Amino acid sequence: DAGVTQSPTHLIKTRGQQVTLRCSPKSGHDTVSWYQQALGQGPQFIFQYYEEEERQRGNFPDRFSGHQFPNYSSELNVNALLLGDSALYLCASSPWTPKHSSGYEQYFGPGTRLTVT
Amino acid sequence: GENVEQHPSTLSVQEGDSAVIKCTYSDSASNYFPWYKQELGKGPQLIIDIRSNVGEKKDQRIAVTLNKTAKHFSLHITETQPEDSAVYFCAATPRYGGATNKLIFGTGTLLAVQP
Repeated sequence: DAGVTQSPTHLIKTRGQQVTLRCSPKSGHDTVSWYQQALGQGPQFIFQYYEEEERQRGNFPDRFSGHQFPNYSSELNVNALLLGDSALYLCASSPWTPKHSSGYEQYFGPGTRLTVT
Repeated sequence: GENVEQHPSTLSVQEGDSAVIKCTYSDSASNYFPWYKQELGKGPQLIIDIRSNVGEKKDQRIAVTLNKTAKHFSLHITETQPEDSAVYFCAATPRYGGATNKLIFGTGTLLAVQP
């Protein structure tokens, strides 16, 4: 059973460019959340997708947008890249509604390391 | 606002000793508290979690305790091994209906287990 997968592993972009990151959730999961992790910091919540709609959003500008496909996979798009967007971008998957009392778990992928120069 | 504080930022222990990491959350509506282990170059790995209706949970050498009144929760690792060396993050999630909610992370603890 494959866990959460993300692509690409690493990416180098120039300031002002646009980038698209991809995520495939764990089998059986229908909800995808995206997080940004700056070096030496904890992950920061960007947004969450369920049923192809953005359900929750953190304190990130509109330059950050996303999409979820019918197969539950997701994309994160960042426009007009800034140097400060350099970070590890993490995708986490989970079931929307916990099936048991042990629900709510979110499982993370390995991340995409984005460097903006 | 939603905030999670984590201490200490670094922790060095001898192999076989115990390690304790403490977190405090601000939102009293928080009801789910996971702990993640992140090794260099990898994504966070869920190692244990606890819900607001439980005071303590144990899984082999790892245990988590929750004090809802004080809004504190802690991770305890006993009989530490070199492979326990990593960055550990606590997190809290405020109530959001019955659905999976966003995670608010602490700032992380770098645990070094000396052989």
